[in-house]
Amino acid sequence: AAGVIQSPRHLIKEKRETATLKCYPIPRHDTVYWYQQGPGQDPQFLISFYEKMQSDKGSIPDRFSAQQFSDYHSELNMSSLELGDSALYFCASSLADRNTEAFFGQGTRLTVV
Amino acid sequence: AQSVTQPDIHITVSEGASLELRCNYSYGATPYLFWYVQSPGQGLQLLLKYFSGDTLVQGIKGFEAEFKRSQSSFNLRKPSVHWSDAAEYFCAVGAFPTGANNLFFGTGTRLTVIP
Repeated sequence: AAGVIQSPRHLIKEKRETATLKCYPIPRHDTVYWYQQGPGQDPQFLISFYEKMQSDKGSIPDRFSAQQFSDYHSELNMSSLELGDSALYFCASSLADRNTEAFFGQGTRLTVV
Repeated sequence: AQSVTQPDIHITVSEGASLELRCNYSYGATPYLFWYVQSPGQGLQLLLKYFSGDTLVQGIKGFEAEFKRSQSSFNLRKPSVHWSDAAEYFCAVGAFPTGANNLFFGTGTRLTVIP
């Protein structure tokens, strides 16, 4: 069965650079969520989208932005990267109008050096 | 304020032994409770969830959890652990019964299974 696809799986960037993480939800899923998991930390909710509109916002820094496109894939854009942005970034998707669980991708590991 | 506490950072059990992972939560509204498992290099997989009704919920892979409102707990149990259960386990609380909006996770319990 198709799962949530995240790319790239690993990314190394320097401080002050920009990074773009991509998430491809399970086919027909209309809702996407982004989570950040720092080293040894629990996942922290960043932001979510439903039908291409932001539906909820968590602890996402102003340096970060995200959007959901017409094909429902989502991109998380991170600018002016800081060392503290090094983390595992998870994307999850679900179908909003059904009683379904959210399925998480394998994550993108971002290392800022 | 919402929070989830998993008191045990690391637990080691022998294969075939029983397992209980503790989770306590603090939540201002009706809590929706979840247990997720994260294997190395993998994403989070939902084991089970509690919304209402029977306080003992069954999940995948032989796991179950019991909701105790009086203790604000949602402990995860398995009667007989398999080596493949070695992973990181996260308890989470949220405002919605579905999806993954604004889930508050605990810091996780790492399970090691010894032969």
